[in-house]
Amino acid sequence: SQTIHQWPATLVQPVGSPLSLECTVEGTSNPNLYWYRQAAGRGLQLLFYSVGIGQISSEVPQNLSASRPQDRQFILSSKKLLLSDSGFYLCAWEQGAYNSPLHFGNGTRLTVT
Amino acid sequence: SQQGEEDPQALSIQEGENATMNCSYKTSINNLQWYRQNSGRGLVHLILIRSNEREKHSGRLRVTLDTSKKSSSLLITASRAADTASYFCAMVGGSNYKLTFGKGTLLTVNP
Repeated sequence: SQTIHQWPATLVQPVGSPLSLECTVEGTSNPNLYWYRQAAGRGLQLLFYSVGIGQISSEVPQNLSASRPQDRQFILSSKKLLLSDSGFYLCAWEQGAYNSPLHFGNGTRLTVT
Repeated sequence: SQQGEEDPQALSIQEGENATMNCSYKTSINNLQWYRQNSGRGLVHLILIRSNEREKHSGRLRVTLDTSKKSSSLLITASRAADTASYFCAMVGGSNYKLTFGKGTLLTVNP
């Protein structure tokens, strides 16, 4: 069966520090991968998606970047965190065509101090 | 861009009662999906209804879709305390082929 792993679960980082969040999927190949951010009490904002290794699309311009070095690995990064980067980051995957159900990781709670 | 809007924002009921949540959207869709999120966790897919379907069931869940009114509803029957969570609708439509989510309905089921 397919599983998705996301880590760390929680992270407290000072302003200006770098960030690296990792997400891996097991049990499937060539998934579409997504990074979402959820602010407190809000819906999900799509940040990045990827349809293949090295293929990254950004939905909104911001202080973050994403990379997909391997088929089932998706990394969210920042060189210098801002206070506004605080939030709940969720990785998700889907198999096959768009409009398929998304499968989410358990998220990373990031607090920038 | 296409985004669903859930109503109500929050709903509090007693165990055993039914819970109904609604979702409205603006442009045509391919399908509409409902997700559940327990506090501090990732989202879990509940049900997908296609644009040519009007009603779908899964266990205690019943989803309806009215494309003429651009709305969907999620009914949870015989609710349990464990149903306490936020519920989101999501859809793809318009010029955006990515799944976009509403802000969710926070359901609290009191024992």
